Amino acid sequence: GEDVEQSLFLSVREGDSSVINCTYTDSSSTYLYWYKQEPGAGLQLLTYIFSNMDMKQDQRLTVLLNKKDKHLSLRIADTQTGDSAIYFCAETLPSSLGRLYFGRGTQLTVWP
Amino acid sequence: DGGITQSPKYLFRKEGQNVTLSCEQNLNHDAMYWYRQDPGQGLRLIYYSQIVNDFQKGDIAEGYSVSREKKESFPLTVTSAQKNPTAFYLCASSMNRLYSNQPQHFGDGTRLSIL
Repeated sequence: GEDVEQSLFLSVREGDSSVINCTYTDSSSTYLYWYKQEPGAGLQLLTYIFSNMDMKQDQRLTVLLNKKDKHLSLRIADTQTGDSAIYFCAETLPSSLGRLYFGRGTQLTVWP
Repeated sequence: DGGITQSPKYLFRKEGQNVTLSCEQNLNHDAMYWYRQDPGQGLRLIYYSQIVNDFQKGDIAEGYSVSREKKESFPLTVTSAQKNPTAFYLCASSMNRLYSNQPQHFGDGTRLSIL
């Protein structure tokens, strides 16, 4: 299956941490990605994690992968108003020939 | 700078009219993709192409057509058969499918509306 699920909305206060969650159904996922979309723009690749990793950190971003539960999360430390955007998780499968399967996106709103 | 260019940024279609959305990339990517985005529905794949002169239908190909005559270009035609074309259209590209980690890179999108 290629079902990727995300909660649709998240609100946080500026300076707090944000955690965006994603679940997927296909255990053969190879790479999992996080993209950011600002209003009226395309998707910007934020980070990715290979399926044999548990965690990846990149500056304010921390990706956690729980393969047993098929759960992926993106933590943004010290969230800023400029982080307000839609965040998409996506997976690729060995059989998909590069095709990505996207969740519906989580709208993150950061309040000052 | 390398990137993906979509044009126009805004497009209006009259009833019964076909319109073509342009997508050009200079990243030397083999694969290209077209997505449709509606509010709250995420991205839905329309067509994709792994190599020049070859393309496959995605999940919502009805009412759309594509061509891939050049590696750099993957135009999308929204035909009159597409009864609800109003949406945000995104083009993406990625490297050859034989490589494992090949994230897709996106253009800035074209917003299509019906007059």
